[in-house]
Amino acid sequence: QAVVTQEPSLTVSPGGTVTLTCGSSTGAVTSGHYPYWFQQKPGQAPRTLIYDTSNKHSWTPARFSGSLLGGKAALTLSGAQPEDEAEYYCLVSYTGAWVFGGGTKLTVL
Amino acid sequence: EVQLVQSGGGLVQPGGSLRLSCEASGFTFSIYWMNWVRQTPGEGLQWVASMNQDGSEIYHVDSVRGRFTISRDNAKNSVFLQMNTLRAEDTAVYYCLRLDWTDVAFWGQGALVTVSS
Repeated sequence: QAVVTQEPSLTVSPGGTVTLTCGSSTGAVTSGHYPYWFQQKPGQAPRTLIYDTSNKHSWTPARFSGSLLGGKAALTLSGAQPEDEAEYYCLVSYTGAWVFGGGTKLTVL
Repeated sequence: EVQLVQSGGGLVQPGGSLRLSCEASGFTFSIYWMNWVRQTPGEGLQWVASMNQDGSEIYHVDSVRGRFTISRDNAKNSVFLQMNTLRAEDTAVYYCLRLDWTDVAFWGQGALVTVSS
């Protein structure tokens, strides 16, 4: 089974910009992997921020964006807010399976 | 408003069985793949199983294949996860998920399954 890799932790200053990445052990992550990004806060179920690489839901703050970058899926946060402190998970599609990344704990400090 | 309301879960002894249910509303259930995902306490997320719209395609993660079975009833807008031969390592919060590649994923509220004697 493929392994999906994320940075275990990142720190961003309030108002700053940070990019979280999502890599695959099988090679480059492409649009054909339909990458998702989820945000999870303590005690809550995850919620979708980004689907199909770069699409946003109506509840996704404009400061979040999704893309492909250097063979990985990427989630960029521009203008970090204190409420963005959370765990972020990517999810990637393979034939007959989905695989989550291990998550990135984002600290806004 | 899309909603996925889960029921089931609880404490079960090793080797026991449990059935999780998830009732959907707010969207046309019968045209979406449905999935189950789990999260172990303090750990990350793991995809568990997927089923297509009419049940003709089913996938399970290796660690549960042969023990867990996903199913659905489109007339009742519901998806189920039958879990047999449960092990301590199956202890987790289980989520049902509408997950369909090119659309927003929606999550149920989660159900805690504890496997312990």
